[in-house]
Amino acid sequence: QVHLVESGGGLVKPGESLRLSCAASGFDFSDYFMTWIRQAPGKGLEWVSYIHSRSSYTDYADSVKGRFTISRDNAKNSLYLQMNNLRADDTAVYYCARGRYSPFWGQGTLVTVSS
Amino acid sequence: EIVLTQPPGTLSLSPGERASLSCRASQSVASSNLAWYQQKPGQAPRLLIYGASSRATDIPDRFSGSGSGTDFTLTITRLEPEDFAVYYCQQYGSSPFTFGPGTKVDIK
Repeated sequence: QVHLVESGGGLVKPGESLRLSCAASGFDFSDYFMTWIRQAPGKGLEWVSYIHSRSSYTDYADSVKGRFTISRDNAKNSLYLQMNNLRADDTAVYYCARGRYSPFWGQGTLVTVSS
Repeated sequence: EIVLTQPPGTLSLSPGERASLSCRASQSVASSNLAWYQQKPGQAPRLLIYGASSRATDIPDRFSGSGSGTDFTLTITRLEPEDFAVYYCQQYGSSPFTFGPGTKVDIK
């Protein structure tokens, strides 16, 4: 059974950093693209970033480019999102999901950026 | 970047009625790489349709997707009480893999 569990969210001040993790199980992690998607409180879904199965290619939404870095460790079945220089408008629930489109999502982890 | 629009923002319908939800793209979506998701409050999105018209696993056949190019439709033939939710389209043919703003289907 596919299982994705995000962690690492919390309350930070503007300009600070945070690293999110996503632990994957129930499938061959190294075979799949992985994606981060976020949802601000009361708002719609926003695609954030994805990474190729072998980490050979990544891409980012313009809103996070230059501040966020996606990475993965296939040996640990884990996906990461390093978020630097956080802003108030980065406040959201962050989901990891399998693939470019996904039937499998984590439960999300809340990131709050506030002074 | 492909921008997706989903008019109208809210659709007010009664149980048993047919729902037709629209998703329009600012440019052609490559290879009909379009997905539809349903989201209920406090839950992660649920994949309904991928490849514009293929139903995901365990999705009831009252949900169907159609369209190509820049115009796509999600149809729910007879609304059940559990279908009142927000629906998002997503294109995954061209990075960034953008989402539409969503259509809320609420009870009339």
